[in-house]
Amino acid sequence: GAVVSQHPSRVICKSGTSVKIECRSLDFQATTMFWYRQFPKKSLMLMATSNEGSKATYEQGVEKDKFLINHASLTLSTLTVTSAHPEDSSFYICSARDLRGPADTQYFGPGTRLTVL
Amino acid sequence: AQTVTQSQPEMSVQEAETVTLSCTYDTSESNYYLFWYKQPPSRQMILVIRQEAYKQQNATENRFSVNFQKAAKSFSLKISDSQLGDTAMYFCAFMKLSGGSQGNLIFGKGTKLSVKP
Repeated sequence: GAVVSQHPSRVICKSGTSVKIECRSLDFQATTMFWYRQFPKKSLMLMATSNEGSKATYEQGVEKDKFLINHASLTLSTLTVTSAHPEDSSFYICSARDLRGPADTQYFGPGTRLTVL
Repeated sequence: AQTVTQSQPEMSVQEAETVTLSCTYDTSESNYYLFWYKQPPSRQMILVIRQEAYKQQNATENRFSVNFQKAAKSFSLKISDSQLGDTAMYFCAFMKLSGGSQGNLIFGKGTKLSVKP
């Protein structure tokens, strides 16, 4: 299957700083990528849809000024958590849509664990 | 709005036995996809199986098969000959193919499966 990478795998930062998470599709081009947040022992919650060459679409309740998304190329999307606070600590997962397959399938990155002190 | 319900928070099965995980969904859409994803302790989301709603035939992938009942809006996953490596969280997911939010995955809350030796 298609491969999606995320960097970093884990990050610890101080409250008030900004953190950037990268999501890359390694062997396919992705016009659309997705960012999810997962709390411990919970399901994945879609935060936003990242579209190459246009603005991201945010889900209701997600602050677009706090979670900045940039889909710089067909293989890279970044999520920047600005002015991070302890409540932003979570597991962030990205996925990329591979249109080549038999179904419109999303492949997931390995996730990034963010801890804000 | 679409919803996905997994009514079994936790299940266990003996190695080599068969287990079935339940999933129901609610939608007014006629064209959609359904997925089962596996999330092992590494937290990497792995696609297990997909089903196109227009197909009557149940999807199978080696030891994994689904029982897709469109009228009942039910999509259960059967794991045969369970292996220790099947221990993971299993998420059922729905994807609509038209209209707003098309291509977005909506996840159930997950079922934690433990395979016991």
